[in-house]
Amino acid sequence: SQKIEQNSEALNIQEGKTATLTCNYTNYSPAYLQWYRQDPGRGPVFLLLIRENEKEKRKERLKVTFDTTLKQSLFHITASQPADSATYLCALRGGGNKLTFGTGTQLKVEL
Amino acid sequence: NAGVTQTPKFQVLKTGQSMTLQCAQDMNHEYMSWYRQDPGMGLRLIHYSVGAGITDQGEVPNGYNVSRSTTEDFPLRLLSAAPSQTSVYFCASSSSDRIAEAFFGQGTRLTVV
Repeated sequence: SQKIEQNSEALNIQEGKTATLTCNYTNYSPAYLQWYRQDPGRGPVFLLLIRENEKEKRKERLKVTFDTTLKQSLFHITASQPADSATYLCALRGGGNKLTFGTGTQLKVEL
Repeated sequence: NAGVTQTPKFQVLKTGQSMTLQCAQDMNHEYMSWYRQDPGMGLRLIHYSVGAGITDQGEVPNGYNVSRSTTEDFPLRLLSAAPSQTSVYFCASSSSDRIAEAFFGQGTRLTVV
């Protein structure tokens, strides 16, 4: 069956460091992958999309990589700030154009 | 610009009661979806719609009904609430472009006692 896996353990890092979150998938052949941010009590908000022919995509302090051979995407936040603390979700569209999400990884950036 | 609006924000139901969660979007999006989010389970797709008059089941459809009579509205009906339906419910919409981002409502926190 199709699966999207993210590290369920929270990631705690110090302010100023780079946070790296992982998204692994099985039984998908995605043409692209999306990343969202979710704050407590709110709906997810779209951050970035990366296509299969793009090895890397950047937006300000965010960087996403996409390795279709490894079936993995990495999401990096450089120079992290406490305001980056949130849960980050990756998502793929499968059959019928359904958007399926990973379980998300909670990031906590400490002073 | 309202985006995706969900009502109510909070609801407590007794087991066996029925109710409708409302979702409306003002972006003229073809696609609308309902997800539930439980601790450790992530967002799970309940039902989705690719346009007015067309709906289909997601991963966890049992106990829920949907209809899509207009492009703007996509209500989710709980037929006979059960404690297992205690969750946070999110409605989302997107255009029909496969790369389109999804826009989410603020969520409805439902407790079934």
